[in-house]
Amino acid sequence: AQSVTQPDIHITVSEGASLELRCNYSYGATPYLFWYVQSPGQGLQLLLKYFSGDTLVQGIKGFEAEFKRSQSSFNLRKPSVHWSDAAEYFCAVGAYSGAGSYQLTFGKGTKLSVIP
Amino acid sequence: DGGITQSPKYLFRKEGQNVTLSCEQNLNHDAMYWYRQDPGQGLRLIYYSQIVNDFQKGDIAEGYSVSREKKESFPLTVTSAQKNPTAFYLCASSREVGQAHNEQFFGPGTRLTVL
Repeated sequence: AQSVTQPDIHITVSEGASLELRCNYSYGATPYLFWYVQSPGQGLQLLLKYFSGDTLVQGIKGFEAEFKRSQSSFNLRKPSVHWSDAAEYFCAVGAYSGAGSYQLTFGKGTKLSVIP
Repeated sequence: DGGITQSPKYLFRKEGQNVTLSCEQNLNHDAMYWYRQDPGQGLRLIYYSQIVNDFQKGDIAEGYSVSREKKESFPLTVTSAQKNPTAFYLCASSREVGQAHNEQFFGPGTRLTVL
């Protein structure tokens, strides 16, 4: 079965600093990978996704992520963080279940705090 | 505007009562999902439906029930058998059945509190 690990529960960065959120996955086949963001008390919004091709993926709000198959990682990056980026970030892997349906498995999330 | 609506935003329930959470989408998506979110636990799949009148259990279906009588609606009932129902519940939908690359779109969530 697939799994996702986000090693950092909480990260604090200063506004304008660079950001990297880590994500490691476990899946036997080619993974479909996603990053979502959640503001407090809200639903999730897709930042970016990777299926195949270029391993560096660009997303919304200036985020990017790099797929590294050898490290089973899909880390999210942003060169300069804004105060509005404070939120919780979830990495997810999409995979087919035994019943032939498609499911997302989420990591436990990383909460980002931004210091003005 | 197309999207997913969930109601109510906040819900309070007494122990022993069943309660139903509403989820409606106007995206014409085939697949719909219910997740439960607890602090520090990420999202866990309760039930999902790939087509009208059909649904499958997810990882934590015990104490929950669903129906899918219409394509746009996927209500979730939290029964009295659910031992710890206080949580944030998220509904999602995706365009096609069995397509791993389709993203899931999420509603704003319902926060359920058992008193």
